Amino acid sequence: AQSVTQLDSHVSVSEGTPVLLRCNYSSSYSPSLFWYVQHPNKGLQLLLKYTSAATLVKGINGFEAEFKKSETSFHLTKPSAHMSDAAEYFCVVTGRGGATNKLIFGTGTLLAVQP
Amino acid sequence: GAGVSQSPSNKVTEKGKDVELRCDPISGHTALYWYRQSLGQGLEFLIYFQGNSAPDKSGLPSDRFSAERTGGSVSTLTIQRTQQEDSAVYLCASSLAPVRSGRAQETQYFGPGTRLLVL
Repeated sequence: AQSVTQLDSHVSVSEGTPVLLRCNYSSSYSPSLFWYVQHPNKGLQLLLKYTSAATLVKGINGFEAEFKKSETSFHLTKPSAHMSDAAEYFCVVTGRGGATNKLIFGTGTLLAVQP
Repeated sequence: GAGVSQSPSNKVTEKGKDVELRCDPISGHTALYWYRQSLGQGLEFLIYFQGNSAPDKSGLPSDRFSAERTGGSVSTLTIQRTQQEDSAVYLCASSLAPVRSGRAQETQYFGPGTRLLVL
């Protein structure tokens, strides 16, 4: 069965410093992996997705993630945090080959950005 | 174009009452999903519709929950005899097509959700 583990429930960084949000996955299939962001009182927005093409995936707002099969990881990074990046981030997996296409969410990481 | 829309945005109801939540997917999207986001449970899949196929109901937590999708477009999630533990944000998503073997994963686009509070 597929699952994701987000290793940190809360991460706090200073504006202008790098962001690292960690995610490990478990999947019986060759996985598709996503990062979604949820700003307060707003809907979920896709940041980026990995679907077995390039292992380094670039997303919106300067975020990127690297798929590492040997480490079963898909960590999200950004070189320099902005105040507007403060939000909750979800690592998501779904397996290809299944009939349902449902997303399986991690428990989320709340990112705080300090001025 | 227009994104996924959901109504109502907020719903307060009394324990034991029935509620209906509506989702309008993005035009042309054949796949539609319902998820629930609640404290302590995180985000969890409820049900999936794809075209005229039988829906995948594997995520529905009890037989008080049901959903329909009429005409392959609008969907309604119904919760009967609501309980306080049903309080959550109910999210709808749609995608252009379901996953197929060898095909790149289709992105799911989410609506803003319906915040349900059962008193």
